[in-house]
Amino acid sequence: QKEVEQNSGPLSVPEGAIASLNCTYSDRGSQSFFWYRQYSGKSPELIMSIYSNGDKEDGRFTAQLNKASQYVSLLIRDSQPSDSATYLCAVLQSGGYQKVTFGTGTKLQVIP
Amino acid sequence: DVKVTQSSRYLVKRTGEKVFLECVQDMDHENMFWYRQDPGLGLRLIYFSYDVKMKEKGDIPEGYSVSREKKERFSLILESASTNQTSMYLCASSGLAGITDTQYFGPGTRLTVL
Repeated sequence: QKEVEQNSGPLSVPEGAIASLNCTYSDRGSQSFFWYRQYSGKSPELIMSIYSNGDKEDGRFTAQLNKASQYVSLLIRDSQPSDSATYLCAVLQSGGYQKVTFGTGTKLQVIP
Repeated sequence: DVKVTQSSRYLVKRTGEKVFLECVQDMDHENMFWYRQDPGLGLRLIYFSYDVKMKEKGDIPEGYSVSREKKERFSLILESASTNQTSMYLCASSGLAGITDTQYFGPGTRLTVL
């Protein structure tokens, strides 16, 4: 079973701080990694995707990938109360098809 | 913009009923997926389809079947609903195979089986 592990949280950060969300995965052949945000009662929406080792920045969000350590992270700078949500890490499985394994998510709370 | 729609936002059914959940995408995507999401268990793949009339079992297919007669439509069928199938059901679609592909989700159907 290919696994994706996340700390369930909640992770509480004050408004304006940096939130750091982490994810590890077991499938060494995986090439594609995604972060989704899910508000309570809503469906997941894609925030970022990353495919190469290193950092990828998009506005206040930075995704970091280290394939050797099988580790993906998401940094949220200048956290806002509207960032309060559950963040899902997702990994595209190797071996064909387009199956994605999701972590159980980390709940982020940004305190005003 | 990719649009994935699901037939109902909320559904209440009785044990033993046959239940149909429908999903439609408008982006000509090849791949479509059905997940269920439960607290503490995350998103679990029930079935997926990579082409019309093609289907593959996911991680938890027991008690479910699917149908994909047209490219844009993917249906999930609960042959005889049971209370342990009470859950949030999410449909997703993605395009041509490739490492850069992304799954887009519908709004979800919250199913309650009494």
